[in-house]
Amino acid sequence: ETGVTQSPTHLIKTRGQQVTLRCSSQSGHNTVSWYQQALGQGPQFIFQYYREEENGRGNFPPRFSGLQFPNYSSELNVNALELDDSALYLCASSFNGATGELFFGEGSRLTVL
Amino acid sequence: LAKTTQPISMDSYEGQEVNITCSHNNIATNDYITWYQQFPSQGPRFIIQGYKTKVTNEVASLFIPADRKSSTLSLPRVSLSDTAVYYCLVGANAGNNRKLIWGLGTSLAVNP
Repeated sequence: ETGVTQSPTHLIKTRGQQVTLRCSSQSGHNTVSWYQQALGQGPQFIFQYYREEENGRGNFPPRFSGLQFPNYSSELNVNALELDDSALYLCASSFNGATGELFFGEGSRLTVL
Repeated sequence: LAKTTQPISMDSYEGQEVNITCSHNNIATNDYITWYQQFPSQGPRFIIQGYKTKVTNEVASLFIPADRKSSTLSLPRVSLSDTAVYYCLVGANAGNNRKLIWGLGTSLAVNP
């Protein structure tokens, strides 16, 4: 158990819809990063939030956006869903300046039809 | 950002020692080497991290030569439950701007 929880665990959407995924970080962790993992691929970094501000972003379009709240929980929002957005979305929390270990949640499996 | 190269797949048998080597030729001075394990439909789990020489914990050892251009994850006496994908990552341990590149990983199959 990493102490990182994600919701929902599974969901199905149709093209063009919007989705919000949620992540509760481990207690004491102030940094949250989000990853997209397609089937058979490694996780791809979407973005990272540190103390409520985005401070790193991967090669994802603006329709992927996020938030981090004062309690360091986080949301990933994806607008105008496309079929290729079908993937496992992973959230990882960490504490800035610590060992660098990322603590992952179990992920949210998104299927876009 | 340092790119890593590791074997796509490996096979082993229960009780054997497994060594997975990762190449990272353009590793930077402040980069650390970190290994994660991932089971299907679960998030990756941290195994071990190192900077140079050898690091050992209760589940694995990490060997890093002096030039740091490669590293080897060693799993002693593997069991069926070690069947998973193993990722080698190289990146700065800065904490607040981490953009680690995850490759395809090494899919390890442990057979009875």
